[in-house]
Amino acid sequence: GQQLNQSPQSMFIQEGEDVSMNCTSSSIFNTWLWYKQDPGEGPVLLIALYKAGELTSNGRLTAQFGTTRKDSFLNISASIPSDVGIYFCAGTIQGAQKLVFGQGTRLTINP
Amino acid sequence: DTGVSQDPRHKITKRGQNVTFRCDPISEHNRLYWYRQTLGQGPEFLTYFQNEAQLEKSRLLSDRFSAERPKGSFSTLEIQRTEQGDSAMYLCASSPKTEPNYEQYFGPGTRLTVT
Repeated sequence: GQQLNQSPQSMFIQEGEDVSMNCTSSSIFNTWLWYKQDPGEGPVLLIALYKAGELTSNGRLTAQFGTTRKDSFLNISASIPSDVGIYFCAGTIQGAQKLVFGQGTRLTINP
Repeated sequence: DTGVSQDPRHKITKRGQNVTFRCDPISEHNRLYWYRQTLGQGPEFLTYFQNEAQLEKSRLLSDRFSAERPKGSFSTLEIQRTEQGDSAMYLCASSPKTEPNYEQYFGPGTRLTVT
């Protein structure tokens, strides 16, 4: 089945630093989404991408839909303590409604 | 707030018992999804409904699992004869009728612990 590989698995950074994480697949995806999950809660949608090459921002977050349609990137600029959490990429393949998720990137910020 | 709601938030049950979870989607969202998430992993798809029709089921959804959405609004997920391996967070999500409709909005989840 389709699998999404997220990297890195975890990140430890200082407050104010920029963060980059990515998601790759051996299959072509026609939608990419990025979610953030806090402990004990459901994932919260951050950004949705629909076209190859698309670059979309949401405040300090910027995500890109890779031109090969097999990868996506999420950048967070000037990190703040509330950015702590687990970030998941997810995608859909052509003709399917279900989301396939990556394993997540755990972000920890030292103040 | 009119987000996705789930009930209960936590459930502890003994092995062999039946449990039922409820999900209320965002109003007027016609698609509803169930996912399961175990510790340290991303959510895994279980099943989805468009209105009251169940259109896809994962092979993860064994015969002990059944989901319904009788009136196209709320949905229930029942697990019969629970096993310890069923312990997980069960997440519900919904997506709108109008394009783009791949954006799924999740509820807070139901944490199931089978002892």
